[in-house]
Amino acid sequence: GENVEQHPSTLSVQEGDSAVIKCTYSDSASNYFPWYKQELGKGPQLIIDIRSNVGEKKDQRIAVTLNKTAKHFSLHITETQPEDSAVYFCAASSGNTPLVFGKGTRLSVIA
Amino acid sequence: GAVVSQHPSRVICKSGTSVKIECRSLDFQATTMFWYRQFPKQSLMLMATSNEGSKATYEQGVEKDKFLINHASLTLSTLTVTSAHPEDSSFYICSARSPYRAGTEAFFGQGTRLTVV
Repeated sequence: GENVEQHPSTLSVQEGDSAVIKCTYSDSASNYFPWYKQELGKGPQLIIDIRSNVGEKKDQRIAVTLNKTAKHFSLHITETQPEDSAVYFCAASSGNTPLVFGKGTRLSVIA
Repeated sequence: GAVVSQHPSRVICKSGTSVKIECRSLDFQATTMFWYRQFPKQSLMLMATSNEGSKATYEQGVEKDKFLINHASLTLSTLTVTSAHPEDSSFYICSARSPYRAGTEAFFGQGTRLTVV
């Protein structure tokens, strides 16, 4: 089955700097890669996703890149703000299979 | 994004009692819902996949007689933790996915913090 590895587990950046979180997956059949933000005591919130027919997607300060050959995808947050502090999860799935999550990255943006 | 409502957000119950958690998709029909469990500072662990009108599919190691799942309609799935014990205390989260909405997005509920005393 699918296995998703996520790094780093914790990340601290200064406000205004960029943050990058990386994930790798094992199943070449996976074709959907969402990223979720989870704040304390809340459910995960979808922030951006990418499908395997696209190499990059951007939404304001957030971007995701996908390298199908290397089986890795990354989340990029630019101009970070304190409210970006949260736990971020990557995930992968193929078709209607359940999402397989990475272990999460705790991002702290220091003002 | 789509709205998934989970209720209650917090519940405290006594050992031996049962607790029901509801998951509703408010603005779309969810043919498939998923139930996850999350321990502090850990990732989401899939417990079961719930398909409308059929039996749930449980992940290995999850007791189906303890965690009863019912998906009676396209907008509602329920998880009942039966004969709860302190080790069942956890954060339970549902998600809903519809094949009719632009692909395979899964939208999550707010989560339910269960504390068994």
